[in-house]
Amino acid sequence: AQTVTQSQPEMSVQEAETVTLSCTYDTSESDYYLFWYKQPPSRQMILVIRQEAYKQQNATENRFSVNFQKAAKSFSLKISDSQLGDAAMYFCAYRSAFWLASGSRLTFGEGTQLTVNP
Amino acid sequence: DGGITQSPKYLFRKEGQNVTLSCEQNLNHDAMYWYRQDPGQGLRLIYYSQIVNDFQKGDIAEGYSVSREKKESFPLTVTSAQKNPTAFYLCASSIQGTSTDTQYFGPGTRLTVL
Repeated sequence: AQTVTQSQPEMSVQEAETVTLSCTYDTSESDYYLFWYKQPPSRQMILVIRQEAYKQQNATENRFSVNFQKAAKSFSLKISDSQLGDAAMYFCAYRSAFWLASGSRLTFGEGTQLTVNP
Repeated sequence: DGGITQSPKYLFRKEGQNVTLSCEQNLNHDAMYWYRQDPGQGLRLIYYSQIVNDFQKGDIAEGYSVSREKKESFPLTVTSAQKNPTAFYLCASSIQGTSTDTQYFGPGTRLTVL
């Protein structure tokens, strides 16, 4: 079974600065997908970014980018020019590419609570 | 507007009672999912359905039941057999349930057992 670990329960950053959230995962599969979801106080889960394991290029979405290290099984999220609206719980998630067997389930980490200080 | 709705937003249940959480989507998605969220933990999969009239157990299905009679609807029943049902419940859907699909989430239901 796959596991996802987020070792930072809480992080804080000053507005306009950069912060990196860590995520490691364990799997024996060679093909999979990784995600970062954001959960603001409203508790609505919002997809931030996704990475396909077969792609060597790191995904980017505006101010959000990832550092995907497949051999190290590491998938960190970098938020640049942090804004007050970035304050939320961030979850790292894993999905197997073998969806027929797994049903495309997402396996989540425990989350990192990000505070943005003005 | 297309999206996923969950009702009610807050739900209170007495011990020993069954309760049903609603999840409806108008995105024409085939696959639907139920997750449970507890404080300090990530989401855990309860049940999922990739097609009407079919569903599969997730990692923590004990004490829960589901049905999928319509493509748009995937209600979750929390039975009295669920030992610790107080939690936040999230419903999600995706186009076909394949790995490339993005899962979209509803706003959630907070269940409290009194």
